[in-house]
Amino acid sequence: DVKVTQSSRYLVKRTGEKVFLECVQDMDHENMFWYRQDPGLGLRLIYFSYDVKMKEKGDIPEGYSVSREKKERFSLILESASTNQTSMYLCASSSQFGPSEWGYEQYFGPGTRLTVT
Amino acid sequence: AQKITQTQPGMFVQEKEAVTLDCTYDTSDPSYGLFWYKQPSSGEMIFLIYQGSYDQQNATEGRYSLNFQKARKSANLVISASQLGDSAMYFCAMREYSSASKIIFGSGTRLSIRP
Repeated sequence: DVKVTQSSRYLVKRTGEKVFLECVQDMDHENMFWYRQDPGLGLRLIYFSYDVKMKEKGDIPEGYSVSREKKERFSLILESASTNQTSMYLCASSSQFGPSEWGYEQYFGPGTRLTVT
Repeated sequence: AQKITQTQPGMFVQEKEAVTLDCTYDTSDPSYGLFWYKQPSSGEMIFLIYQGSYDQQNATEGRYSLNFQKARKSANLVISASQLGDSAMYFCAMREYSSASKIIFGSGTRLSIRP
């Protein structure tokens, strides 16, 4: 069965702490994504990666960095957490191949609800 | 810049009725794909349906169909014979061919089914 796991469902951190959110997929997917979800704003793309050690900025990369050292693992890093980074964080993965040459679905993890106090 | 707009923050529908969730998009790329996802209260995102910009027919998956009107740049999701389990957030999303793997989501519509 297809599976994307995230290291924590709930996380509470203090302002200024360095925070690591881990995501692992077992489907051998090339693409991995980090989104944050806030009420009324939907899912906003933070970063994505289409290969090991490759990364691309999404729409809201400020305050975040990522790491992809292995194909199955994609980490989101908050270098110095701030209260405005309190949110639900969703990881997703997808194959390069799908119903058409470039159309495919994403598989999502269960999410990490991060609270920064 | 690509953009997805969902203008209905919330909807209430009677069980067994059909429901249409609106989605409009903006892109200058002639090649793109459109997706709909469901997010129940448990939080997981569930892929529902996909439509490619060159597909001649509207996509269908069971009770879900996508009303694709290319000239209007709309990709509405139609759920026939709604069920209580359809209560959830629904997100429209788009990927442009020129944007490689990037997928952009709309703000979502919360659908509530009344018994």
